[in-house]
Amino acid sequence: QQQVKQSPQSLIVQKGGISIINCAYENTAFDYFPWYQQFPGKGPALLIAIRPDVSEKKEGRFTISFNKSAKQFSLHIMDSQPGDSATYFCAARSGETSGSRLTFGEGTQLTVNP
Amino acid sequence: DAGITQSPRHKVTETGTPVTLRCHQTENHRYMYWYRQDPGHGLRLIHYSYGVKDTDKGEVSDGYSVSRSKTEDFLLTLESATSSQTSVYFCAISKGPGELFFGEGSRLTVL
Repeated sequence: QQQVKQSPQSLIVQKGGISIINCAYENTAFDYFPWYQQFPGKGPALLIAIRPDVSEKKEGRFTISFNKSAKQFSLHIMDSQPGDSATYFCAARSGETSGSRLTFGEGTQLTVNP
Repeated sequence: DAGITQSPRHKVTETGTPVTLRCHQTENHRYMYWYRQDPGHGLRLIHYSYGVKDTDKGEVSDGYSVSRSKTEDFLLTLESATSSQTSVYFCAISKGPGELFFGEGSRLTVL
């Protein structure tokens, strides 16, 4: 049972456009929500993260929007570039006592066309 | 560079054979993890360790065992490999709450 549902599975965006990836969760014990970026042949790398007491976090062109009541969060990539083409994973941590045990979404393969 | 080395990076084996994947870290972190990555499933936790000789199961632990006799090494063993264990395996360390740093992966093919 996937506790974090991610959509879409794949996304094609033109250069300069906005890429939006959505995630939804059920477990209200989740307390930390990171996003990871993965390039082919590499391991996932932490991109940006948010805690549920914040509704939005922005780092450069990347923004996380968080809706606690809806149990949803999303990644927005502004001014998308071909170099952003990668697979993106949302994730959630189930409380501090779990250390850094993360539950991941299924992943979204983003392609940014030049 | 998170200081994580996985070996082997690629392996092809036959059904029923034992396989051990090694994860080595150079930064003395307490928590280490093994995930597998499969299309449509994202990354799923197999086992993790919170110290030398301290390990626990993840969500897909059946058919896998782990050992951690030294802080720097975390081994994942498939006692008798099956085709369903064909996957890419990632080791990760935790540098902070919810912050994982992954190795470059070990691609395993079980024929």
